[in-house]
Amino acid sequence: AQSVTQPDIHITVSEGASLELRCNYSYGATPYLFWYVQSPGQGLQLLLKYFSGDTLVQGIKGFEAEFKRSQSSFNLRKPSVHWSDAAEYFCAVGPWDSGNTPLVFGKGTRLSVIA
Amino acid sequence: DAGITQSPRHKVTETGTPVTLRCHQTENHRYMYWYRQDPGHGLRLIHYSYGVKDTDKGEVSDGYSVSRSKTEDFLLTLESATSSQTSVYFCAISEEPAKAFFGQGTRLTVV
Repeated sequence: AQSVTQPDIHITVSEGASLELRCNYSYGATPYLFWYVQSPGQGLQLLLKYFSGDTLVQGIKGFEAEFKRSQSSFNLRKPSVHWSDAAEYFCAVGPWDSGNTPLVFGKGTRLSVIA
Repeated sequence: DAGITQSPRHKVTETGTPVTLRCHQTENHRYMYWYRQDPGHGLRLIHYSYGVKDTDKGEVSDGYSVSRSKTEDFLLTLESATSSQTSVYFCAISEEPAKAFFGQGTRLTVV
């Protein structure tokens, strides 16, 4: 069965510091991989996605993620965090070859940013 | 932003009462989903639809039913609300997994 693991429940970083959020997945077929961000009281916004090609994917708001098939990982990175990046981040996996199967989400990582 | 409207946005209801949440889309997307979000659990799929009158169960479907009589509307019904169904409910739409769009959520409190 497909699953997504985000090992870090809560991360605190200083403004201007670099960030890496971890995501590991288990999936029987070639997956789509996603990162979503949720600000307090808001819905989910897609940051970036990967399904083929270059394993380093650029997203919105200066985020990037790297797909590593050998490690079943899709970690999210940002070189310099801004206070407005404080939010909850979700990694998700979906099927590459079917629109019918819904996404499976990790439990999320809450990011706090301190001055 | 994709045209997804969830209603109501907030609701407080009593245990044992029926509750219906509505998801309305203006994008004519084929697939619609209901998720619930709870602290420590992320988003979990309740039910989803792959066309008018075509629905299927998700991971946490017990106590919930859905209906989709029109492309644009996907209703989630709690037949007899329980405190364990206090949660934030999100609707999502897509034509393919790579393009899923989420609504703003409905915060439901069962007292």
